[in-house]
Amino acid sequence: EAQVTQNPRYLITVTGKKLTVTCSQNMNHEYMSWYRQDPGLGLRQIYYSMNVEVTDKGDVPEGYKVSRKEKRNFPLILESPSPNQTSLYFCASSFRGESSYEQYFGPGTRLTVT
Amino acid sequence: AQSVTQLDSHVSVSEGTPVLLRCNYSSSYSPSLFWYVQHPNKGLQLLLKYTSAATLVKGINGFEAEFKKSETSFHLTKPSAHMSDAAEYFCVVSDRPGRRALTFGSGTRLQVQP
Repeated sequence: EAQVTQNPRYLITVTGKKLTVTCSQNMNHEYMSWYRQDPGLGLRQIYYSMNVEVTDKGDVPEGYKVSRKEKRNFPLILESPSPNQTSLYFCASSFRGESSYEQYFGPGTRLTVT
Repeated sequence: AQSVTQLDSHVSVSEGTPVLLRCNYSSSYSPSLFWYVQHPNKGLQLLLKYTSAATLVKGINGFEAEFKKSETSFHLTKPSAHMSDAAEYFCVVSDRPGRRALTFGSGTRLQVQP
């Protein structure tokens, strides 16, 4: 089954404790992206990757890091989480050549930082 | 720059009556436009997409949307609401070649009354 998976689905952590949210897709997509969803703001892009070893900032990159060492994986790293990073996070992927820009979303990771 | 405005944060309809969710967009290029749906505690599912072909786009579950360039609108409609349509709906625009970012509206929560 074609899908984007994220782990963990739910995470409660404390300020300053480094964490990683994993994202994996099995569709051989070149493009992958991270979004955060906050009430009343829709989804905002954090980082994106056009291919292996190619990443760039989105609209809200502060406090986040990413890496793209393999085509299927695109982990999101919070080196020192803060309460304002409490949010619902979505990973997405698509083919690079897809002119329609349709993206496939993972199920989401709900993060709470206390 | 691209932006999306969803004109209603909440819409309530009775089962069996028509649904209209309004969306206006702003874009510097020829945009691709999407409607995504998010059911409670679920990920995002693509309902339909416009990519410069037919201006009337049909999607899943009986939804359709019409692209009106002169009005910069992309309203979502359905002739007859079903209880299972209760969810949050996001209008999305993408027009930045290369970056592939999706810009989301703030969402419209659809309630369906029995």
